[in-house]
Amino acid sequence: QSALTQPASVSGSPGHSITIPCSGTSSDVGGFTYVSWYQQHPDEAPKLIIFDVASRPSGVSDRFSGSKSGNTASLTISGLQAEDEADYYCSSYTSNTTYVFGTGTRVSVL
Amino acid sequence: QVQLVESGGGVVQPGGSVRLSCVASGFFFNSFGMHWVRQAPGKGLEWVAFIRFDGSSEHYADSVRGRFTVSRDNSKKTLYLQLNSLRIEDSGLYYCGKDTRPKVATNVASWGQGTRVTVS
Repeated sequence: QSALTQPASVSGSPGHSITIPCSGTSSDVGGFTYVSWYQQHPDEAPKLIIFDVASRPSGVSDRFSGSKSGNTASLTISGLQAEDEADYYCSSYTSNTTYVFGTGTRVSVL
Repeated sequence: QVQLVESGGGVVQPGGSVRLSCVASGFFFNSFGMHWVRQAPGKGLEWVAFIRFDGSSEHYADSVRGRFTVSRDNSKKTLYLQLNSLRIEDSGLYYCGKDTRPKVATNVASWGQGTRVTVS
């Protein structure tokens, strides 16, 4: 039940796009469509921004998009804004019927 | 709107026990699976446990299996987490969360504000 692997940090300029990869295995990310992404600002609870690989909850900006290829999922933030500075976590259902989060990525807007 | 309010945290000695509660409102509590997720200070999210909508099945992270027990009382719209044999590394902010599905741990769509457990 190892955590999914994410880069510790990613940065980008306002208006540009960034992509955060989330690496797993065939027993989690690669084996199911239950991949989600969460945004967490300092001292706040996490917020679901992508579920089922590429679906957005109501009210979440369409600047956030998700995808998956093999054992790696990705979150893309387009038109980067200052308010996007936060920690981002991927997650997946696993073949052990458990759930696992990624290691987390801090996004900085330059 | 969905509201989840956790309580029960505090300072506990190693080896001790504590029970966390999460009161839900704003949705049909008995129709959705529920999670517990924790976050140690300055660290990432760690999934702890999931329970099906009807309480008939529970799933745990390896790090807590055999020590923690998740349960629910649908008549009271309340989720519980019993923490036993606590260790220093169990310290953190414990969140309860609502899934979008009833039977499988697929996502944490809604989160409470958390209750802090300190093992010291």
